[in-house]
Amino acid sequence: GAVVSQHPSRVICKSGTSVKIECRSLDFQATTMFWYRQFPKKSLMLMATSNEGSKATYEQGVEKDKFLINHASLTLSTLTVTSAHPEDSSFYICSARVTGGGQPQHFGDGTRLSIL
Amino acid sequence: QKEVEQNSGPLSVPEGAIASLNCTYSDRGSQSFFWYRQYSGKSPELIMSIYSNGDKEDGRFTAQLNKASQYVSLLIRDSQPSDSATYLCAVNGGPGGFKTIFGAGTRLFVKA
Repeated sequence: GAVVSQHPSRVICKSGTSVKIECRSLDFQATTMFWYRQFPKKSLMLMATSNEGSKATYEQGVEKDKFLINHASLTLSTLTVTSAHPEDSSFYICSARVTGGGQPQHFGDGTRLSIL
Repeated sequence: QKEVEQNSGPLSVPEGAIASLNCTYSDRGSQSFFWYRQYSGKSPELIMSIYSNGDKEDGRFTAQLNKASQYVSLLIRDSQPSDSATYLCAVNGGPGGFKTIFGAGTRLFVKA
C-alpha cells in the first residue's frame, strides 16, 4: 500500500521550456503532498507543501511564479517549472501522506530534470 | 541547533557487522519517527516507523526510541553491501503532528 507514482522520470529539454511533473497517490487519498528538490550528494530541500483545493505553501526562497503547483484532486498534484533554465536542473521528488497526523510521507521515484 | 540532527558520516562497517545510525531531535512534543533509506540517484524509501519508547524490530532492522533523551536510532544487523545508502531520520511534530522534519542523512558503506 501507499504507492506514489511520479511522471516523467527524466526530462531533457531546452532552456525556456516549461516542464510539468505529475505526482499521483495510487491507492490512498492524500490531502497533502510535498515537493522536494535535491542536488547531487546534498540533502532533500522542501520546496512547497501542496494542499488539495487550496494554494500551495512555498518555503522561503522558492519562487512561486517559477514553480507552479496545482493540487486539484485528492490523488494528483502537479509541479510546473516555468521557463526553465540550466540552474533549474535537479532531481525533483514528490511525496504524499495518508490523511491524519503522525503518518509518514511516501515518495515518488523522482524526476531528473536536465535543462540544456 | 538543527531540528533533526544526524552524523553525516560516512559510516563504514564490514559485511556481517551491526550498523548503528543515530538521530536526535529538538521538538520534545514530537510523536512520530521514521527512517528512510535513499540509494544514490533514487528517492527515499520508508523502512521503519516508530511511535512509542522502546525497540521495534522488522527483519534485520531495529528502531529504538527514547523520547526523554530525544533520541532515535536504527540498527542494521548482519549488514550487507546492498545496505550501503544514505539513511534519513524524519520526525513528525507540531500541532497535530503534521509537520515533518528530515535530517540531512547518514551515509553508510558496508564493505564486502
